[in-house]
This record gives sequence, structure tokens and C-alpha cells, in this order.
Amino acid sequence: NAGVMQNPRHLVRRRGQEARLRCSPMKGHSHVYWYRQLPEEGLKFMVYLQKENIIDESGMPKERFSAEFPKEGPSILRIQQVVRGDSAAYFCASSPQGEKLFFGSGTQLSVL
Amino acid sequence: RKEVEQDPGPFNVPEGATVAFNCTYSNSASQSFFWYRQDCRKEPKLLMSVYSSGNEDGRFTAQLNRASQYISLLIRDSKLSDSATYLCVVIKGGGATNKLIFGTGTLLAVQP
Repeated sequence: NAGVMQNPRHLVRRRGQEARLRCSPMKGHSHVYWYRQLPEEGLKFMVYLQKENIIDESGMPKERFSAEFPKEGPSILRIQQVVRGDSAAYFCASSPQGEKLFFGSGTQLSVL
Repeated sequence: RKEVEQDPGPFNVPEGATVAFNCTYSNSASQSFFWYRQDCRKEPKLLMSVYSSGNEDGRFTAQLNRASQYISLLIRDSKLSDSATYLCVVIKGGGATNKLIFGTGTLLAVQP
């Protein structure tokens, strides 16, 4: 049973471009969480999704950020018109029942 | 006041020492509690759940004090490999609306 798969591991974008981060949860897990971590800081909750539904997006900026978890395929975190302040590690986690989380290796986004 | 607070440390301890971390939470309705471990630039990994009666896993002991709203992690006979950031996690909500709140972490450095 493969773990949570995130890709790409590293993503470099110029200011104004779009960033798409992908997350495939563990088999059988229907809960997906996205977190952001800045250097020397803790994990900040962004969004919680179940298949085809956004359950809680209270941690996600209202503009430029969106997330989806379609019926088929991975969860996608999309950042439009990236700015330097978006540079961070983005971790995805999945859970079978919304409690114990299993994390992917993260995507390190660098905005030039 | 932050929902989940931890002493950021660093805790510098010699090998073989016993070290304890506390984590306080503000929402008395919080239901579930966990400790995660995060190594530098890696994803967090579940260390152990925290039960009301307290629980032990080898050299690690976790306890919950609902009256004072804190959880603790005790590490006995510290090893060099225990060096990491320890994150406490509090779950609020229930059922389909669980929200996992991470503390900012406590950095442990075990010295030879």
C-alpha cells in the first residue's frame, strides 16, 4: 500500500505564474488535508476535503488559492499568480476517518 | 491566544536524559490528541495518540490533563536519534467536520 504521494517534490515558478500541486492519498483514504509550512514555522492548516467536497477551507487565502479533490484522480492545490510570499513547503495528508494523518513528502514551492 | 501552544525550545539534553514537553490547548471541546515528530525538511510522522488514561510506547509516555487543558510527552533515556521537532495535534469538531490543529512544535536536540 503506497503512502501519500505528492508531486512535484520541488516546483519553481516566476511571479505571476500558476502553481499546481498534486496529492494522491493512501488507498482507501477519503479525507485529504493541505498544510503550508514556512521556514522555521509550524504547519498552518489550509483546507480539508473529502471526495468532491470542500469541508473546511478556513485556512486558505480567499484569493488566488483553490483546492479540489475530484471523484477520480488526485487532490489539486492550485495557486494562481504566485508571489514570493507563497514560497513554502506544502504538505498533503490523508486519513481514513479524519483523525490520524499520514503525510506526503511535501512540495517545496520556490517563487523567483 | 493560539488554539494550540507549545514551548518552541530548543531543548538541549545529553544522551540518556529524560525530557518532557507540554502542549496547551484553548478549546475545552477538543476531542482527540496526538504527538507527531518532524525531522528537518521532512514530513511529520505520527508518534503516538494521547488517551485520557495516559499511554506508553517504549521510552515514550503521553498524558492528557483535560482539567488544565494540556497534553504532555515524556521521553526517557534520550537517544541521538530522538533529535527532531515534536508537534502536538488537537482535533476539534467531530464526524465529518474534524479540524486538526497543529502546535508550532518543540525542538529537541540530544547531545552526545
